[in-house]
Amino acid sequence: QVQLVESGGGVVQPGRSLRLSCAASGFTFSSYDIHWVRQAPGKGLEWVTVISYDGSNKYYADSVKGRFTISRDNSKDTVYLQMNSLRAEDTAVYYCAKGGSGWCMDAWGQGTTVTVSS
Amino acid sequence: QSALTQPASVSGSPGQSITISCTGTSSDVGGYDFVSWYQLHPGKAPRLMIYDVSNRPSGVSNRFSGSKSGNTASLTISGLQAEDEADYYCSSFTLTSTIFGGGTKLTVL
Repeated sequence: QVQLVESGGGVVQPGRSLRLSCAASGFTFSSYDIHWVRQAPGKGLEWVTVISYDGSNKYYADSVKGRFTISRDNSKDTVYLQMNSLRAEDTAVYYCAKGGSGWCMDAWGQGTTVTVSS
Repeated sequence: QSALTQPASVSGSPGQSITISCTGTSSDVGGYDFVSWYQLHPGKAPRLMIYDVSNRPSGVSNRFSGSKSGNTASLTISGLQAEDEADYYCSSFTLTSTIFGGGTKLTVL
Protein backbone atom coordinates (compact mmCIF):
# COMPACT_ATOMS: atom_id res chain seq x y z
CA GLN A 1 0.00 0.00 0.00
CA VAL A 2 1.01 3.62 -0.46
CA GLN A 3 3.15 4.82 2.39
CA LEU A 4 4.84 8.15 3.07
CA VAL A 5 7.12 8.56 6.08
CA GLU A 6 8.42 11.96 7.12
CA SER A 7 11.53 12.44 9.23
CA GLY A 8 13.97 15.12 10.26
CA GLY A 9 11.80 17.24 12.50
CA GLY A 10 12.99 18.60 15.81
CA VAL A 11 13.65 21.70 17.86
CA VAL A 12 15.77 24.38 16.20
CA GLN A 13 16.70 27.95 17.04
CA PRO A 14 15.41 30.87 14.96
CA GLY A 15 17.62 31.55 11.98
CA ARG A 16 18.94 28.01 11.80
CA SER A 17 18.28 25.31 9.21
CA LEU A 18 16.63 21.91 9.12
CA ARG A 19 16.13 19.32 6.38
CA LEU A 20 13.05 17.15 6.30
CA SER A 21 12.80 13.90 4.35
CA CYS A 22 9.80 12.08 2.97
CA ALA A 23 10.40 8.42 2.09
CA ALA A 24 7.79 6.85 -0.18
CA SER A 25 6.81 3.29 -0.97
CA GLY A 26 3.98 1.33 -2.52
CA PHE A 27 3.70 3.31 -5.77
CA THR A 28 5.78 4.39 -8.75
CA PHE A 29 7.38 7.36 -7.03
CA SER A 30 8.90 8.90 -10.15
CA SER A 31 5.45 9.31 -11.72
CA TYR A 32 3.89 11.57 -9.09
CA ASP A 33 4.16 15.10 -7.77
CA ILE A 34 4.85 15.43 -4.05
CA HIS A 35 3.56 18.23 -1.80
CA TRP A 36 4.51 19.48 1.64
CA VAL A 37 1.71 20.83 3.81
CA ARG A 38 2.00 22.11 7.37
CA GLN A 39 -0.27 22.68 10.32
CA ALA A 40 0.79 25.10 13.03
CA PRO A 41 -0.47 24.42 16.57
CA GLY A 42 -4.15 25.27 16.79
CA LYS A 43 -4.23 26.41 13.16
CA GLY A 44 -5.43 25.05 9.84
CA LEU A 45 -3.63 23.38 7.01
CA GLU A 46 -1.21 25.49 4.98
CA TRP A 47 0.20 24.36 1.67
CA VAL A 48 3.98 24.84 1.56
CA THR A 49 5.42 23.57 -1.70
CA VAL A 50 5.15 21.03 -4.50
CA ILE A 51 7.66 19.34 -6.78
CA SER A 52 6.70 17.75 -10.06
CA TYR A 53 7.27 14.07 -10.74
CA ASP A 54 10.59 14.69 -12.49
CA GLY A 55 11.75 17.59 -10.33
CA SER A 56 11.56 20.08 -13.18
CA ASN A 57 8.86 22.25 -11.64
CA LYS A 58 8.66 23.58 -8.11
CA TYR A 59 6.23 26.01 -6.55
CA TYR A 60 6.27 27.62 -3.12
CA ALA A 61 3.91 29.46 -0.81
CA ASP A 62 4.83 33.13 -0.45
CA SER A 63 5.46 32.56 3.26
CA VAL A 64 8.44 30.26 2.54
CA LYS A 65 9.68 31.47 -0.84
CA GLY A 66 13.39 32.15 -0.78
CA ARG A 67 13.89 30.24 2.49
CA PHE A 68 12.67 26.70 1.72
CA THR A 69 13.81 24.46 -1.12
CA ILE A 70 12.16 21.25 -2.24
CA SER A 71 14.06 18.53 -4.08
CA ARG A 72 13.71 14.85 -4.85
CA ASP A 73 15.84 11.81 -5.54
CA ASN A 74 13.84 9.39 -7.65
CA SER A 75 16.53 6.73 -7.22
CA LYS A 76 15.80 6.76 -3.50
CA ASP A 77 12.04 7.41 -3.65
CA THR A 78 12.59 10.36 -1.36
CA VAL A 79 11.66 14.04 -1.31
CA TYR A 80 13.51 16.60 0.77
CA LEU A 81 12.54 19.95 2.21
CA GLN A 82 15.49 22.17 3.06
CA MET A 83 14.34 24.85 5.46
CA ASN A 84 16.65 27.80 6.05
CA SER A 85 16.31 30.99 8.08
CA LEU A 86 13.65 29.36 10.22
CA ARG A 87 11.22 31.54 12.12
CA ALA A 88 8.94 30.93 15.07
CA GLU A 89 5.98 30.98 12.69
CA ASP A 90 7.41 27.95 10.87
CA THR A 91 6.62 25.85 13.94
CA ALA A 92 4.21 23.18 12.73
CA VAL A 93 3.60 19.56 11.90
CA TYR A 94 4.90 19.05 8.38
CA TYR A 95 3.18 16.48 6.18
CA CYS A 96 4.28 15.20 2.81
CA ALA A 97 1.54 14.11 0.45
CA LYS A 98 1.35 12.33 -2.89
CA GLY A 99 -0.21 14.18 -5.78
CA GLY A 100 -3.32 12.53 -7.14
CA SER A 101 -5.73 12.78 -10.04
CA GLY A 102 -6.36 16.29 -11.26
CA TRP A 103 -4.92 18.38 -8.48
CA CYS A 104 -5.25 16.80 -5.04
CA MET A 105 -3.25 15.01 -2.39
CA ASP A 106 -4.42 11.42 -2.24
CA ALA A 107 -2.07 9.97 0.35
CA TRP A 108 -0.43 11.60 3.34
CA GLY A 109 2.26 10.76 5.83
CA GLN A 110 1.81 10.95 9.58
CA GLY A 111 3.84 14.15 9.78
CA THR A 112 6.98 15.33 11.52
CA THR A 113 7.05 18.15 14.05
CA VAL A 114 9.25 21.21 13.67
CA THR A 115 9.59 23.58 16.59
CA VAL A 116 11.47 26.84 16.12
CA SER A 117 12.34 28.28 19.48
CA SER A 118 15.23 29.83 21.30
CA GLN B 1 -3.13 34.60 -1.33
CA SER B 2 -5.97 34.49 1.19
CA ALA B 3 -7.34 31.24 2.51
CA LEU B 4 -10.65 29.95 1.21
CA THR B 5 -13.60 30.77 3.48
CA GLN B 6 -15.25 27.95 5.41
CA PRO B 7 -17.61 28.10 8.39
CA ALA B 8 -15.72 27.52 11.61
CA SER B 9 -18.15 24.86 12.77
CA VAL B 10 -21.19 22.86 11.77
CA SER B 11 -23.16 20.26 13.65
CA GLY B 12 -25.81 17.66 13.05
CA SER B 13 -27.47 14.68 14.63
CA PRO B 14 -26.82 11.10 13.56
CA GLY B 15 -28.68 10.32 10.37
CA GLN B 16 -29.02 13.94 9.32
CA SER B 17 -27.25 15.66 6.43
CA ILE B 18 -24.92 18.63 6.67
CA THR B 19 -23.21 20.82 4.09
CA ILE B 20 -19.92 22.65 4.45
CA SER B 21 -19.28 25.56 2.10
CA CYS B 22 -15.95 26.73 0.75
CA THR B 23 -15.86 30.16 -0.89
CA GLY B 24 -13.03 31.46 -2.99
CA THR B 25 -12.60 33.59 -6.08
CA SER B 26 -12.50 33.23 -9.82
CA SER B 27 -8.74 32.72 -9.48
CA ASP B 28 -9.12 29.54 -7.51
CA VAL B 29 -12.41 27.73 -6.76
CA GLY B 30 -14.33 29.43 -9.55
CA GLY B 31 -11.60 29.14 -12.13
CA TYR B 32 -10.82 25.43 -12.04
CA ASP B 33 -12.52 22.14 -11.30
CA PHE B 34 -9.70 21.23 -8.94
CA VAL B 35 -11.36 21.47 -5.55
CA SER B 36 -10.64 18.76 -3.02
CA TRP B 37 -11.78 18.02 0.53
CA TYR B 38 -9.81 16.49 3.40
CA GLN B 39 -10.84 14.96 6.70
CA LEU B 40 -8.62 15.35 9.76
CA HIS B 41 -9.04 13.34 12.92
CA PRO B 42 -6.79 14.39 15.82
CA GLY B 43 -3.46 12.63 15.72
CA LYS B 44 -4.11 11.00 12.34
CA ALA B 45 -2.94 11.74 8.84
CA PRO B 46 -5.30 13.82 6.70
CA ARG B 47 -7.54 11.79 4.39
CA LEU B 48 -8.72 12.76 0.93
CA MET B 49 -12.52 12.60 0.75
CA ILE B 50 -13.38 14.37 -2.52
CA TYR B 51 -11.23 15.42 -5.48
CA ASP B 52 -11.88 17.40 -8.64
CA VAL B 53 -15.03 18.93 -7.10
CA SER B 54 -17.18 15.82 -6.95
CA ASN B 55 -15.15 12.63 -7.31
CA ARG B 56 -14.83 10.15 -4.46
CA PRO B 57 -11.62 8.14 -4.03
CA SER B 58 -11.91 4.43 -3.66
CA GLY B 59 -12.86 3.51 -0.11
CA VAL B 60 -14.70 6.74 0.72
CA SER B 61 -18.34 6.26 1.63
CA ASN B 62 -20.92 7.42 -0.88
CA ARG B 63 -22.42 9.44 1.98
CA PHE B 64 -19.82 12.05 1.05
CA SER B 65 -20.48 14.20 -2.01
CA GLY B 66 -19.09 17.39 -3.47
CA SER B 67 -20.34 20.12 -5.77
CA LYS B 68 -19.50 23.60 -6.98
CA SER B 69 -21.39 26.68 -8.09
CA GLY B 70 -19.47 29.72 -9.18
CA ASN B 71 -16.82 30.55 -6.59
CA THR B 72 -18.30 28.31 -3.89
CA ALA B 73 -17.72 24.60 -3.45
CA SER B 74 -19.65 22.41 -1.05
CA LEU B 75 -19.15 19.14 0.79
CA THR B 76 -22.29 17.30 1.83
CA ILE B 77 -22.32 14.44 4.28
CA SER B 78 -25.55 12.48 4.45
CA GLY B 79 -26.61 9.97 7.07
CA LEU B 80 -24.24 11.47 9.64
CA GLN B 81 -22.36 8.98 11.78
CA ALA B 82 -20.36 9.49 14.94
CA GLU B 83 -17.14 8.65 13.09
CA ASP B 84 -17.69 11.63 10.78
CA GLU B 85 -16.88 14.00 13.62
CA ALA B 86 -13.64 15.63 12.50
CA ASP B 87 -12.16 18.75 10.94
CA TYR B 88 -12.74 19.24 7.22
CA TYR B 89 -10.67 21.36 4.88
CA CYS B 90 -11.29 22.34 1.31
CA SER B 91 -8.44 23.05 -1.08
CA SER B 92 -8.15 24.55 -4.53
CA PHE B 93 -5.60 24.70 -7.29
CA THR B 94 -4.33 28.08 -8.39
CA LEU B 95 -1.89 28.88 -11.18
CA THR B 96 1.07 29.21 -8.84
CA SER B 97 0.08 27.47 -5.63
CA THR B 98 -2.52 25.51 -3.74
CA ILE B 99 -4.69 27.08 -1.08
CA PHE B 100 -6.69 25.62 1.78
CA GLY B 101 -9.75 26.78 3.58
CA GLY B 102 -9.58 27.69 7.23
CA GLY B 103 -11.20 24.40 8.21
CA THR B 104 -14.59 23.42 9.60
CA LYS B 105 -15.12 21.45 12.79
CA LEU B 106 -17.97 19.00 12.37
CA THR B 107 -19.69 17.94 15.57
CA VAL B 108 -22.05 14.99 15.56
CA LEU B 109 -24.52 15.68 18.36
